Amino acid sequence: QSALAQPPSASGSLGQSVTISCTGSSRDIGGYNYVSWYQQHPGKAPRLMIYEVTKRPSGVPDRFSGSKSGSTASLTVSGLQAEDEADYYCASYAGGHMGVFGTGTKVTVL
Amino acid sequence: EVQLVQSGAEVKKPGESLMISCQGSGYSFSTSWIGWVRQMPGKGLEWMGIIFPGDSDTIYSPSFQGQVTFSVDKYINTAYLQWSSLKASDTAVYFCARSPYRGAFAASCTFDTWGQGTLVAVSS
Repeated sequence: QSALAQPPSASGSLGQSVTISCTGSSRDIGGYNYVSWYQQHPGKAPRLMIYEVTKRPSGVPDRFSGSKSGSTASLTVSGLQAEDEADYYCASYAGGHMGVFGTGTKVTVL
Repeated sequence: EVQLVQSGAEVKKPGESLMISCQGSGYSFSTSWIGWVRQMPGKGLEWMGIIFPGDSDTIYSPSFQGQVTFSVDKYINTAYLQWSSLKASDTAVYFCARSPYRGAFAASCTFDTWGQGTLVAVSS
C-alpha cells in the first residue's frame, strides 16, 4: 500500500486560509469515509484534528475542516494562526484491515 | 484522563534485541485496539499495525510483518513492540496510539490518543 500523496509544503498569511490535498485511490480514500488528519509540531506526537472525513474531536477549533471528493481528501485551516504552523498528515482506511498515512505537508504561516 | 505513556529512549547496537512499552490509563485498556506508528528521522508517519489487548489479536502491515512483534499484558495495561535483531534502519521514533473503533475500521489509522513516542537509535 503506497502512502497517500500530499504536497510537501503549503503556506498562508496570518488570518488567511490554507487547504491541503491528500490523493489516494478507490482502494482507500475513494472507497471509505474513514479519512483522518493529524497535526504534528516538531518533537511532538501527532494530534488528531479530523476523523471520518469531516468530524472534529472535542477541543479542536472549528477553523479546521475536512472534506472529500472522489479519491482526494482536503483539510482547510481558516483564520491561520501562528500555532497552526506544523506538519499535517492525512490517513485513510485502505481495506483488508490495513491503514495508510499520507506523505505529510509542512504548513508555514507567513 | 485517557493517557498512553511510553518507555524511554534506547540506544542499541545492530543485532541486539529490544522491547519498548506503552502503558494505558484512564480507560478500559482491554477493549481498545492499540496501534504502532514509525517515524524515521525527518520522515513521515508509517502505520505498522494494531493489536487488541483483550485477546492479543494482531494485524501487521506487510511492510513490518516478520520484522517486529506486538504483544500485550492486559493485566498491567501495557502493550509492547519488540525486535529480535535490530538494524541501523530501525532507527526511528515509535509511537503507540489508541483506536476509537472496533472491528475492521480499527485499522483505519484513526487514533484519538497518542503516546509521547520512544526514540530507538541503532548504531555500531
